Amino acid sequence: GENVEQHPSTLSVQEGDSAVIKCTYSDSASNYFPWYKQELGKRPQLIIDIRSNVGEKKDQRIAVTLNKTAKHFSLHITETQPEDSAVYFCAASQETGTASKLTFGTGTRLQVTL
Amino acid sequence: DTGVSQDPRHKITKRGQNVTFRCDPISEHNRLYWYRQTLGQGPEFLTYFQNEAQLEKSRLLSDRFSAERPKGSFSTLEIQRTEQGDSAMYLCAIQTSGPRGRNEQFFGPGTRLTVL
Repeated sequence: GENVEQHPSTLSVQEGDSAVIKCTYSDSASNYFPWYKQELGKRPQLIIDIRSNVGEKKDQRIAVTLNKTAKHFSLHITETQPEDSAVYFCAASQETGTASKLTFGTGTRLQVTL
Repeated sequence: DTGVSQDPRHKITKRGQNVTFRCDPISEHNRLYWYRQTLGQGPEFLTYFQNEAQLEKSRLLSDRFSAERPKGSFSTLEIQRTEQGDSAMYLCAIQTSGPRGRNEQFFGPGTRLTVL
């Protein structure tokens, strides 16, 4: 089955700096890679996703890159703000006609300090 | 609001008791997933439904666990003879399959289970 590794487990940055979180996956059949943000005591929220036919995707201060050959993908947050503080999870899945279960990484706790 | 409600939000039970959780999508969604999240970990897939059919079950889902989606709308997850290791957040997620096979999954607020 799929295995997703995520690094670092914790990340502290100053407000305004950039943050980068990296994930690797094992199953070359995986073709969908979402990122979720989870604040303390709340549900995971989808913030951005990328499919294997695309190398990069941006949404305001958030961008995700995908390297299919190396089987890794990364989340980039620019101009970090205190409200970006949360746990971020990467995930991978193989989109098929029926099965789309997500395999998650172990999470990165991001702390944005003033 | 992601269009999914879960009930109860918190459940405390004694070891050996049975518990049942419910997931209610607000509108029609073909696919419904159950995940379990323990402290400090990412969600782990348990099972999923395409309409009322349960199409896949994880090895995490022992024979003490059963899930149903009787009419293809709400779903229930039952745990029999609970053990302390069952303590976790149980998350329901919905996904609508579209013409491009989009795979966005949106989570409900979860049910936090504590087994004493």
